[in-house]
Amino acid sequence: EADIYQTPRYLVIGTGKKITLECSQTMGHDKMYWYQQDPGMELHLIHYSYGVNSTEKGDLSSESTVSRIRTEHFPLTLESARPSHTSQYLCASMDTGPNYEQYFGPGTRLTVT
Amino acid sequence: KNQVEQSPQSLIILEGKNCTLQCNYTVSPFSNLRWYKQDTGRGPVSLTIMTFSENTKSNGRYTATLDADTKQSSLHITASQLSDSASYICVVSDRGSTLGRLYFGRGTQLTVWP
Repeated sequence: EADIYQTPRYLVIGTGKKITLECSQTMGHDKMYWYQQDPGMELHLIHYSYGVNSTEKGDLSSESTVSRIRTEHFPLTLESARPSHTSQYLCASMDTGPNYEQYFGPGTRLTVT
Repeated sequence: KNQVEQSPQSLIILEGKNCTLQCNYTVSPFSNLRWYKQDTGRGPVSLTIMTFSENTKSNGRYTATLDADTKQSSLHITASQLSDSASYICVVSDRGSTLGRLYFGRGTQLTVWP
């Protein structure tokens, strides 16, 4: 089982609030990712990081921001939540083995009212 | 355009029966193809991963096949169990990026009834 954690698992919050979704992994992986997934739809990459102080935007435009100050920690922040941000957010990290296996966290289900 | 298409979108089978899920992709260049199982409200968990040279790989009751020429893959589940109820996602990685770029299908939602 992968050692990658996300908190909170569920979050219901009002419009305009600032929120931070936490993601941490204890595997020492340099590469980390944030995906957004709506019900019945595919995962969309919104942010990724190659390592400390490296962050890039993914394919799907997102109003969220990320930071990577420590290898093990990759938090995602929304400065002002809106109902359109309601979704599931999945964090992942990738190893450097021959298959570049990607390990996913359990996800955060965000609902903005 | 790099795409991954899965069929069927949803499937209901009785416990103990076998089933096969399909995946077609247009991703190029091709690095590997993965099948993930995603339980409701959880993150995906890897079942199998196959490179260009592999055409079949098993993981317990799960057997994946790959035809890199026709760009098709299948996931066969044998003697299904209630715990197999989940979404099964086909993911293809390209070789053209150090990012480890992954292309995700929408998944097949499998429901196993007792």
